[in-house]
Amino acid sequence: QSALTQPASVSGSPGQSITISCTGTSIDVGGYDYVSWYQQRPGQAPKLMIYDVSNRPSGVSNRFSGSKSGNTASLTISGLQAEDEADYYCLSYTSTSTVVFGGGTELTVL
Amino acid sequence: QLQLQESGPGLVKPSETLSLTCTVSGGSIRNSSYYWGWIRQPPGKGLEWIGSMFYSGSTYYNPSLESRVTISGDTTKNQFSLKLNSVTAADTAVYFCARHFLFGWYIDYWGQGTLVTVSS
Repeated sequence: QSALTQPASVSGSPGQSITISCTGTSIDVGGYDYVSWYQQRPGQAPKLMIYDVSNRPSGVSNRFSGSKSGNTASLTISGLQAEDEADYYCLSYTSTSTVVFGGGTELTVL
Repeated sequence: QLQLQESGPGLVKPSETLSLTCTVSGGSIRNSSYYWGWIRQPPGKGLEWIGSMFYSGSTYYNPSLESRVTISGDTTKNQFSLKLNSVTAADTAVYFCARHFLFGWYIDYWGQGTLVTVSS
């Protein structure tokens, strides 16, 4: 079970938009609309930001959005703010009734 | 408000068994809408799913860890547990317990995490 592929790091200036990709295969990302995204700040537990590809939990800013095309899911953060600086992880359900995380992406707000 | 709290030894010797318990409050592990799972994060590295269970006893494990892992639940105590045997230094990590929604397996609640170090 290989980790999903994410860029190691992305960066952007305040106010800009950034997109983090999460690439898998047809047995995970591409096979189900069961991709979720998590924000993790240092020393804290991860926080759910997006579920089922594009749904936002209550309380999560509408600056966060998710999408999917084929075997690649994406998390977009618009109107970047300093508080968005964190690590981001994707998670996908797989055909073997397991889940797999992406390797994580460090977001730097310049 | 649901809360999950990990507990167990912070130091385990190589070749021994790592044992952790997650105590759930504010909700029941018998809720048929959720799985209950364990995730770990080695220092400075990414998240790794270890495995999850349903209150009925069904379990699901990461294939890379399956031979060494057992996850079980105690509905009378509203707890679930992780046992990882034959540990090595590579098993040193922060271990999180968590709740997955049944459909989609997304994780909506996490424990705060507990650091387990494998060292003699």
